[in-house]
Amino acid sequence: EDKVVQSPLSLVVHEGDTVTLNCSYEVTNFRSLLWYKQEKKAPTFLFMLTSSGIEKKSGRLSSILDKKELFSILNITATQTGDSAIYLCAVEGYNNNDMRFGAGTRLTVKP
Amino acid sequence: DAGVIQSPRHEVTEMGQEVTLRCKPISGHDYLFWYRQTMMRGLELLIYFNNNVPIDDSGMPEDRFSAKMPNASFSTLKIQPSEPRDSAVYFCASSPHTGELFFGEGSRLTVL
Repeated sequence: EDKVVQSPLSLVVHEGDTVTLNCSYEVTNFRSLLWYKQEKKAPTFLFMLTSSGIEKKSGRLSSILDKKELFSILNITATQTGDSAIYLCAVEGYNNNDMRFGAGTRLTVKP
Repeated sequence: DAGVIQSPRHEVTEMGQEVTLRCKPISGHDYLFWYRQTMMRGLELLIYFNNNVPIDDSGMPEDRFSAKMPNASFSTLKIQPSEPRDSAVYFCASSPHTGELFFGEGSRLTVL
């Protein structure tokens, strides 16, 4: 069965810290891995990763995928209180088009 | 575009009542997903449709849950009869193809 495991489940840091969020997966015929940020309401899209070793970057956020070891990391540098959210990892396989989510990492950034 | 539209935003009902949640996907999107989110279980896929056809409903918890998509612009998720353990936020999401999902703002259901 397809599985997505995120760690840590929760994390508390101070502004300016750098954080690394982890996502490991097992999926039949991997197609893509996506990161989402969920604040108060619906998840919003951050990155989609399909190839190993190619870093995706957006401002202070970056992410990379390792298809050999079956994991991805999401890095946030110089964290701000506005980064406080749940970060969700989702994986999609070629065999089906559904999107399986991990449990999420709840990040709290304190001033 | 208005994005994915869900209704109601909040629903409080009593155990045993029927609940119907509604979703209007983004026009032109071929895929529609229903998710349920709770603190304990995170974001769970319930069912998804491709071109109005249910593809995988293995995530639907039990027979009390049913979903339909009578046309490309409308879907419903029904719970009958509802139970307190169904309390959750139910998200609808659509996608033009595989990959990025566009989420609605969710329907928060409380079953007393």
